[in-house]
Order: sequence, then C-alpha cells, then structure tokens
Amino acid sequence: EIVLTQSPGTLSLSPGERATLSCRASQSVSSSYLAWYQQKPGQAPRLLIYGASSRATGIPDRFSGSGSGTDFTLTISRLEPEDFAVYYCQQYGSSPGLTFGGGTKVEIK
Amino acid sequence: QVQLVESGGGLVKPGGSLRLSCAASGFTFSDYYMSWIRQAPGKGLEWVSYISSSSSYTNYADSVKGRFTISRDNAKNSLYLQMNSLRAEDTAVYYCARGFYVIDYWGQGTLVTVSS
Repeated sequence: EIVLTQSPGTLSLSPGERATLSCRASQSVSSSYLAWYQQKPGQAPRLLIYGASSRATGIPDRFSGSGSGTDFTLTISRLEPEDFAVYYCQQYGSSPGLTFGGGTKVEIK
Repeated sequence: QVQLVESGGGLVKPGGSLRLSCAASGFTFSDYYMSWIRQAPGKGLEWVSYISSSSSYTNYADSVKGRFTISRDNAKNSLYLQMNSLRAEDTAVYYCARGFYVIDYWGQGTLVTVSS
C-alpha cells in the first residue's frame, strides 16, 4: 500500500504570501493519478488539481501542482482569505484503491 | 449542476447495520464510477469503496472488506452502501463521490455514529 506523507502539518502564513505544500509517496505514483483537494470546516472536500498539475474546473490560476514519482507539490502563489483551509493529496493505485495524505492545514498567521 | 445527496446516517449500536443512500442528479449517472469516502470526527479522509458504472466491478478498503457492500441502481440514479457489523471506528461522515481515481464531485455527507 502506498502511503502519502504531507508536510508541513500546519502552515502559518499571511494573506498575499506564497504557500508551498508537499506530498511525498512511499513508492512511485503515476502522475495521472495524483490529485489535490481543499476542505473548509463543515464542508465537503473540493477538487483542485488532478493529474498532478491540471487545474479542475473553476479553480483560480493561483493554484498550481507539480511533481512526479514520489514528490509532489501544491503551490498557492498568493494566498487569498478564502484559501485558508486543509489540503489533502490523494493517489490511486490498484491495491487497495485510493489513499489520502494526512492533510496540511493552512492557517492565518 | 451536479448534485449528490446522501441519506441514511444515524446512531447505531456496535454490531448493528445501516444502509446509506445517495441520490445523484445533474449528470448521466450510468456513465460514471462512484465512490464512498469517509472522515472520522477531526480526522482525515479515508476511501471506503468504489463501484464501476455498470456494477461489474467493486473494490473495498481492507478496513471494511467483508462488512460493507456497495451497490447502485442506474435506473434510479442512486448509490448505496450497506454497512453490517458496525464498529465504533466506523463512526464518521460518509461522503458519496463521483469518480474513482480522481473525485470531481462530493456530496455534503451523512454522519454515522456507532455507539452503545
């Protein structure tokens, strides 16, 4: 089973700053099957990035994804007030199926 | 617009059963794989199961294999999760979700609490 480790656990930043979130896999992951989600309190997750670097419909271009193999990154170029949330990476493999990272909380400094 | 509305959650005793439903609208349900994903209170996301568009293929997390059964009714645009032999650690918000290798739409979730 592939384990996804996200770091840092919490990122304290100010609006306007750049956020860099890391997702490291225990084994190589196909870029086609690596996604990022945003979740705000009391809400369902929302798809941000799929295929490691493609933005989902309606996602602002300040969100970008990159990486390959075992190391993937979600970057928010300039934080807006609505971007403070928890972010999860996710990969798909044949066994057991989908796995999620533990999440990174981006909080207001 | 795509809508996924879960129902059927509630309080159940350990060892009990519950059936979750998800009503889908705004897209051609029969064209898509569907999934259930859960989130324990204050915790991260955990994939539970997915089912192919025609029901020919299903897959389960090891934590629920043999206890949970996913199914769908394409004529009713509905997805189901039959949960048996429930344990305290199954307590979570259960999300109905579209897709299986990437989840592009999520329902708002239904809370399942397993407690005596």
